[in-house]
Amino acid sequence: QSALTQPASVSGSPGQSITISCTGTSSDVGGFNYVSWYQQHPGKAPKLMIYDVSERPSGVSDRFSGSKSGNTASLTISGLQAEDEADYYCSSYTSSSTWVFGGGTKLTVL
Amino acid sequence: QVQLQESGPGLVTPSQTLSLTCTVSGGSISRGSYYWSWIRQPAGKGLEWIGRIYTSGSTIYNPSLKSRVSISIDTSKTQFSLKLSSVTAADTAVYYCARMAPSTGAFDVWGQGTMVTVSS
Repeated sequence: QSALTQPASVSGSPGQSITISCTGTSSDVGGFNYVSWYQQHPGKAPKLMIYDVSERPSGVSDRFSGSKSGNTASLTISGLQAEDEADYYCSSYTSSSTWVFGGGTKLTVL
Repeated sequence: QVQLQESGPGLVTPSQTLSLTCTVSGGSISRGSYYWSWIRQPAGKGLEWIGRIYTSGSTIYNPSLKSRVSISIDTSKTQFSLKLSSVTAADTAVYYCARMAPSTGAFDVWGQGTMVTVSS
């Protein structure tokens, strides 16, 4: 199974909004609504930020939102803050009953 | 709340078998419909899903690792384990255990991770 495609890096200034894309195929992202997003700070375990494409777990800021169109899912962070600087990974269920991650995107807050 | 903790050798000799255990605390490993997964991350690289086990013992593995991987569960000890055979330097990574609720398809609880180095 191939990793989902994410941009290697994105950046934005405090207060701005950024969007990270996650492109797969009809056998994963496009075929199921089991797309999730994770935030990972250096040396830490990933943290679930979005599940089922657009749902937020309890405790996650509403500045984080998710969406999907066709084979591409997106994570949008609005009102960018310094603590949002981290690596972000998408994940999707696949038609083989397995899970696949994206390659990761490094978010820099300028 | 549920917490996960990985344990096992930090150094494994090439061609040998890597063995790790994940201990679940704060909740029952057999109560509720959860999948228990292993995920790894080489230094400076992305996450790779290794496989998962259900409380019934049913397993599914990443096709790229399937021939070398085995995941088992011991509900009496509230633990699940990973075995990866014939390891090479490419298997050097931080290994995480994680919980997934099938209804969400998301990994909602993670262990802190344990670094495993494959070297002679």
